Amino acid sequence: QSALTQPASVSGSPGQSITISCTGTSSDVGSYNLVSWYQHHPGKAPKLMIYEGSQRPSAVSNRFSGSKSGNTASLTISGLQAEDEADYYCCSYAGRSTYVFGTGTTVTVI
Amino acid sequence: EVQLVESGGGLVQPGESLRLSCAASGFTFSSYWMYWVRQAPGKGLVWVSRISGDGSSTSYADSVKGRFTISRDNAKNTQYLQMNSLRAEDTAVYYCATSYSTIVAAPGGWGQGTLVTVSS
Repeated sequence: QSALTQPASVSGSPGQSITISCTGTSSDVGSYNLVSWYQHHPGKAPKLMIYEGSQRPSAVSNRFSGSKSGNTASLTISGLQAEDEADYYCCSYAGRSTYVFGTGTTVTVI
Repeated sequence: EVQLVESGGGLVQPGESLRLSCAASGFTFSSYWMYWVRQAPGKGLVWVSRISGDGSSTSYADSVKGRFTISRDNAKNTQYLQMNSLRAEDTAVYYCATSYSTIVAAPGGWGQGTLVTVSS
């Protein structure tokens, strides 16, 4: 149950697009289309942004999109806004009813 | 609207026990998977445990297996996490979460968390 690997930080200017990667193994990300992404502002409840790899809850802006290739999932934020500054975590089903989160990425809008 | 309210956190000594509760409202509790996820100070989110809607299926992270027990009382719309033999490394904010829907198992709604501190 090793954590999925994410870059520690990603930054971008307002209006730009950024992509956060989430690298796992053939036992988790690579085996299931069950990656979810969460936005977390410190001290608040995490918020689901993407589920099942690319599905977006209705309340989430369409500026957020998800994809997967092999053992790596990705979250893209387009039209970056100041309110997007937060920590982002991926999470994958890992078989046998277990889950694994990523190491987390801090997004900074510069 | 999904509401999840955790309680039961606090300061305990290594080796002691603690039981966390999570009161749920705004959805059909018995139809949803429930989760516990924790975040140690300055660290990332870590999945701890999951329980099925009827309570018949449970799973745990290796780091807590044999020490923690997840359970639920559907009549009270509440889930629990019994934590025994606590260690310093169990110090964290513990979040309660529910599956996004009855079909999508990914954690969807989250509570605000309750802090557990294990220290002598």
